[in-house]
Amino acid sequence: GAGVSQSPSNKVTEKGKDVELRCDPISGHTALYWYRQSLGQGLEFLIYFQGNSAPDKSGLPSDRFSAERTGGSVSTLTIQRTQQEDSAVYLCASSYTSGGVHEQFFGPGTRLTVL
Amino acid sequence: AQRVTQPEKLLSVFKGAPVELKCNYSYSGSPELFWYVQYSRQRLQLLLRHISRESIKGFTADLNKGETSFHLKKPFAQEEDSAMYYCALRRGSQGNLIFGKGTKLSVKP
Repeated sequence: GAGVSQSPSNKVTEKGKDVELRCDPISGHTALYWYRQSLGQGLEFLIYFQGNSAPDKSGLPSDRFSAERTGGSVSTLTIQRTQQEDSAVYLCASSYTSGGVHEQFFGPGTRLTVL
Repeated sequence: AQRVTQPEKLLSVFKGAPVELKCNYSYSGSPELFWYVQYSRQRLQLLLRHISRESIKGFTADLNKGETSFHLKKPFAQEEDSAMYYCALRRGSQGNLIFGKGTKLSVKP
């Protein structure tokens, strides 16, 4: 079956512009996560959606970052007024938990470059 | 504070040699720990989880609560094991993963 997909695969933007990154999770997965992967920082948690509950935004680095999940499926991560330090690979993951066993499945990522 | 520490950025071994990738964690509750792997040009994928007590591709990892460690081991490394390895801790029963900064394993012929 199809895994987690993300678009675009690469995005180059100018400092100060807004960007939107999209994630299509695996069908039926109720949880969706956004992470950021950058050199020297490893993988950082950004935001987490679980079903219809309010999202856990505790990892968002600033109020320029926001995310939505529509209809419990597709999610969009928006970065407003991008800065050069936002350059990173943004990873989306979705998960199920079955019988106490948890696994997150990751997408291929969107590589964001802010010039 | 919840934290995962991988002390080695790079680990280089020869084919057939044993390998151990270190991972230490700090967590106030009962941890759920994972190893994820990212091969070149591939997406991040789960290698193994501590609750399953499994061996995947010859790798094993044992949770040591006394030492707060979850080291990844393989007795005989193969060239195809070369990849980036991330240790991760799951926050709570429904939370996100907290990752270490990763260790790049290079297995030389």
